[in-house]
Amino acid sequence: EIVLTQSPATLSLSPGERATLSCRASQSVIKYLAWYQQKPGQAPRLLISDTSNRATGIPARFSGSGSGTDFTLTISSLEPEDFAVYYCQHRTTWPMTFGQGTNVEIK
Amino acid sequence: EVQLVQSGAEVKKPGESLKIACQGSGDTISNSWIGWVRQMPGKGPEWMGVIYVGDLDSRYSPSFQGQVTISADKSINTAYLQWSSLKASDTAIYYCTRQDYSQGYMHVWGNGTTVTVSS
Repeated sequence: EIVLTQSPATLSLSPGERATLSCRASQSVIKYLAWYQQKPGQAPRLLISDTSNRATGIPARFSGSGSGTDFTLTISSLEPEDFAVYYCQHRTTWPMTFGQGTNVEIK
Repeated sequence: EVQLVQSGAEVKKPGESLKIACQGSGDTISNSWIGWVRQMPGKGPEWMGVIYVGDLDSRYSPSFQGQVTISADKSINTAYLQWSSLKASDTAIYYCTRQDYSQGYMHVWGNGTTVTVSS
């Protein structure tokens, strides 16, 4: 199975700063990578699919890029509600897997 | 868009059986792939398997094949996840999700069911 490794494990930033999260795959997932946001006590929420397509209702400050094995989620200017854990997930091969997450915390 | 409403928290003993439910609200799920995701305490999500509610075609991650059973009843707009013999290591939150394909992204998530297995 494909292993997704996210870095850093924790990102400490202030509101208004730019967040850059990384997801690296153990083999190519082509473009078939998604990002999810999870807040404490809530289910994950789909943010981005197929590397760069924002889901319905997701603000433009969230953007995704990459291809093959290296992917990035960028939050251009952190809002208070963006502090959460972010997971990447691929759908290229069976089984689909998630990364272990990046916790974006308030500095 | 359909919402997924899950059954309530469960506390069970090792060796007991359990079936948890995920009901569609606001629209039918009979033409949907409904997946199940495990999230153990403090860990990332793990995709377990999926079922197409319309024809009951089910598929499992190798890690969960034989450990759980996914089923559905389209007449009551509900999907299920069941265990025949629980282990302490099954303690987790379980989410149902609506996927766009059998091997697809999870666009809609249920509210989660907490399962605690303890003697």
